[in-house]
Amino acid sequence: AQSVTQLDSQVPVFEEAPVELRCNYSSSVSVYLFWYVQYPNQGLQLLLKYLSGSTLVESINGFEAEFNKSQTSFHLRKPSVHISDTAEYFCAVSGSAGGTSYGKLTFGQGTILTVHP
Amino acid sequence: KAGVTQTPRYLIKTRGQQVTLSCSPISGHRSVSWYQQTPGQGLQFLFEYFSETQRNKGNFPGRFSGRQFSNSRSEMNVSTLELGDSALYLCASSLDGLTGNTEAFFGQGTRLTVV
Repeated sequence: AQSVTQLDSQVPVFEEAPVELRCNYSSSVSVYLFWYVQYPNQGLQLLLKYLSGSTLVESINGFEAEFNKSQTSFHLRKPSVHISDTAEYFCAVSGSAGGTSYGKLTFGQGTILTVHP
Repeated sequence: KAGVTQTPRYLIKTRGQQVTLSCSPISGHRSVSWYQQTPGQGLQFLFEYFSETQRNKGNFPGRFSGRQFSNSRSEMNVSTLELGDSALYLCASSLDGLTGNTEAFFGQGTRLTVV
């Protein structure tokens, strides 16, 4: 079984400040890791993913996350946020072993990032 | 390339009725998964279909069912609706059901309100 814990339910921050959204996971099998963003009344948009290779992954809009296997973490960071980054962010894991992992993402409870001017 | 399309976007139903939601995956994707999103429970996995077969199922009652057609389009059905079924239902498509070096893409969701 897998579980995901997002350590902060809400993160307020001022524009142009750095931000870190924390995510820890537990799993008995190898995992793939994802961050999704959700704007009000919208679906989920994939922000970035760790599937294999380099443990530091980046998105096109300045976010990055680092897979830390020893600490079972996948924290999301951005050095300078914009008003438009205000949204809810979800960390998710999927197992790589098939079976009860087929097509299944296990999500954290979400972190609402609010960027103030 | 078209994204994941869910219809309808909004639905209002009465307790006891049944409802069918539709999802068209990205062209070439064979796996479709369904999720329920509520403020209290967050995002919960309902089931996954691949090549018209249900391969995985979450912890939901039998009132929740689904199917997948030969063109990979999927439907989910909820019978005997309860007030607690009010939620955003999200569909996700992926090439292979996340077993390989792939990711899931989500539709805009169907907002179901049960009154």
